Amino acid sequence: DIQMTQSPSSVSASVGDRITITCRASQDIKTWLAWYQQKPGKAPNLLIYSASSLQRGVPSRFSGSGSGTDFTLTISGLQPEDFATYFCQQGDSFPRTFGGGTKVELK
Amino acid sequence: EVRLVESGGGLVQPGGSRRLSCVVSGFNSGSYWMDWVRQAPGKGLEWVANINQDGSETYYMDAVKGRFTISRDNGRNSIYLQLDSLRVDDTAVYYCARGLIRFDDWGQGTLVAVSS
Repeated sequence: DIQMTQSPSSVSASVGDRITITCRASQDIKTWLAWYQQKPGKAPNLLIYSASSLQRGVPSRFSGSGSGTDFTLTISGLQPEDFATYFCQQGDSFPRTFGGGTKVELK
Repeated sequence: EVRLVESGGGLVQPGGSRRLSCVVSGFNSGSYWMDWVRQAPGKGLEWVANINQDGSETYYMDAVKGRFTISRDNGRNSIYLQLDSLRVDDTAVYYCARGLIRFDDWGQGTLVAVSS
C-alpha cells in the first residue's frame, strides 16, 4: 500500500496568513493526488485534483503543486471559513489511501 | 444538484451484519465508479471499497476483504455496502462518494457503531 504522510499535523494561523501543507507519498504517484477540506460534522469537500487542478467552485486562494512523491497545498490569504482539517489522497493505485490530516486552527 | 444520501447505519453487536445504502440523484450514477470511505470517530479518512459502472469490477481494502461486499443497482440509482462479521474497529461514519481517481462528491455519511 502507498503511505501518505502529511505535515504538519496541525498549524495555528491568523486570517490573511499564507500557509502550506505538505504531503509525501511512499512511492511515485505521478500527479494522482487530491486535496480535501473537512469541517467538523461534515463530509470532505474536494479542493484540488491531479495535484494542481482547482475543483470548480473552489476559491483561487487554494493552490496545489508537486509530482512524484512530494506535494503541497497552499492557502494564500486565509479566510475565516478556511479553518478546517485538510487531507491528501492518492489515486495512483489500490487501495486508495489518505494522509493523516492537517488541522488549521485560529491562532 | 448532485446528491448522495446514505442510510442503514446504527448500533450492531460484534459479529453482526448491516447493509448500508446510498441513493444518488442529479447525475447518472451508472456512468461513474462509486466508493465507500469511512472515518472512525476523531480519526482520519479510510477508503473501504469501490465498484465500476456495471458492477463487474470491485476493489476492497485488505481489512474488509471477505467481510464487506459492495454492489449497485443502477436502475435504482443506488449503491450498497453489506457489512458482515463486524468488529469494534469497524465503528465509523461511512460515506458514499463518487469517483475513481478522486472523490468529487460525497454524501453526509451514516454512522455504524459496533459494540456489545
